[in-house]
Amino acid sequence: GQSLEQPSEVTAVEGAIVQINCTYQTSGFYGLSWYQQHDGGAPTFLSYNGLDGLEETGRFSSFLSRSDSYGYLLLQELQMKDSASYFCAVRDGAGGYNKLIFGAGTRLAVHP
Amino acid sequence: DVKVTQSSRYLVKRTGEKVFLECVQDMDHENMFWYRQDPGLGLRLIYFSYDVKMKEKGDIPEGYSVSREKKERFSLILESASTNQTSMYLCASSFTGTGAYEQYFGPGTRLTVT
Repeated sequence: GQSLEQPSEVTAVEGAIVQINCTYQTSGFYGLSWYQQHDGGAPTFLSYNGLDGLEETGRFSSFLSRSDSYGYLLLQELQMKDSASYFCAVRDGAGGYNKLIFGAGTRLAVHP
Repeated sequence: DVKVTQSSRYLVKRTGEKVFLECVQDMDHENMFWYRQDPGLGLRLIYFSYDVKMKEKGDIPEGYSVSREKKERFSLILESASTNQTSMYLCASSFTGTGAYEQYFGPGTRLTVT
């Protein structure tokens, strides 16, 4: 089967750094994506790792280790507006299709 | 600005009714997807389509059907709505191949079946 595991909730204070981990088990692997979803809003794409290593986009970074089937999203200089749910997703290219398999999501609460 | 639109933000239907949820994208994407989102369960794929008139079952297709007659439009149909189909429904689209890791989502339709 295919599955992704990520913590259900994380709490942090403004200005801090938080790391959201994601471990995956899939039959085929074509990269790890991260999405952000604010309450009442639609998921929006944050980052993608197709190869091992760190990808940085402003205050957000994402890391992938394919040998460990593991990745994380790192959020720095946390702001109140970062309070949202964060989903990791694996691209499943099996059968030539291009669908994503999403984790259950991590709810991040940022406090003053 | 890329856009995925859904026909309704909120919908209330009665048990047994036939329900149509419409999704339109303006990005010329090959792939379109329907998900349902329930608390604690993340995004679960119902159906997806990789081309006009082509469809594939996702993880939870039971009780649903889809239609894609035009590239930009993907419809989700609940043949006979039931209370356990009360949920948030999200449509998404993406390019194929290397662009498939980035999906663009519509605002969602919150469906309540009474």
